[in-house]
Amino acid sequence: NAGVTQTPKFQVLKTGQSMTLQCAQDMNHNSMYWYRQDPGMGLRLIYYSASEGTTDKGEVPNGYNVSRLNKREFSLRLESAAPSQTSVYFCASSEARGDHINTEAFFGQGTRLTVV
Amino acid sequence: RKEVEQDPGPFNVPEGATVAFNCTYSNSASQSFFWYRQDCRKEPKLLMSVYSSGNEDGRFTAQLNRASQYISLLIRDSKLSDSATYLCVVHQGYQKVTFGTGTKLQVIP
Repeated sequence: NAGVTQTPKFQVLKTGQSMTLQCAQDMNHNSMYWYRQDPGMGLRLIYYSASEGTTDKGEVPNGYNVSRLNKREFSLRLESAAPSQTSVYFCASSEARGDHINTEAFFGQGTRLTVV
Repeated sequence: RKEVEQDPGPFNVPEGATVAFNCTYSNSASQSFFWYRQDCRKEPKLLMSVYSSGNEDGRFTAQLNRASQYISLLIRDSKLSDSATYLCVVHQGYQKVTFGTGTKLQVIP
């Protein structure tokens, strides 16, 4: 049972470099999310996708872009990395019920990104 | 004021103790509530959902108080394996999913 798979697990970037974080889920969930987690800040939503073909900004979208490639995959791109983007990134997915309430979110193992 | 607030702790308790965490939320339109557990350097995992009627799962009891806008988690007979960070999560539909910053629990032998 793979659940939510994120790659890579670790990455070091130089300021100004770009990279894409990959996420795939095999639970046939409609909703997918990207979060970042920083000490003392909790998990903050970067972008989410309620269904294939739709994406929306979360709390901290600046400096990021996303792509919902298909129902399984939701990628996060940093076009020009900055030290402030040093963080742990988590992808998650969940199922939305008809009343727009989401059930349990399943998380990937996280990507530890350092921008120097 | 943060939308979801938790006491960051750490709560240091001896094995066998009972410990309670609270989490307050500011948006009265919030629809669903969860407690997640996060071990050090791991991803969050669902501990339990929180219902208005309260719910219990073994040593864990979760309560929701809509009038006062808080949720609680009670852990009885603490085990060393309960040491983790506990996150409360508040949903206002899938457009708005807000995590608390987490409460760290350390159970001491």
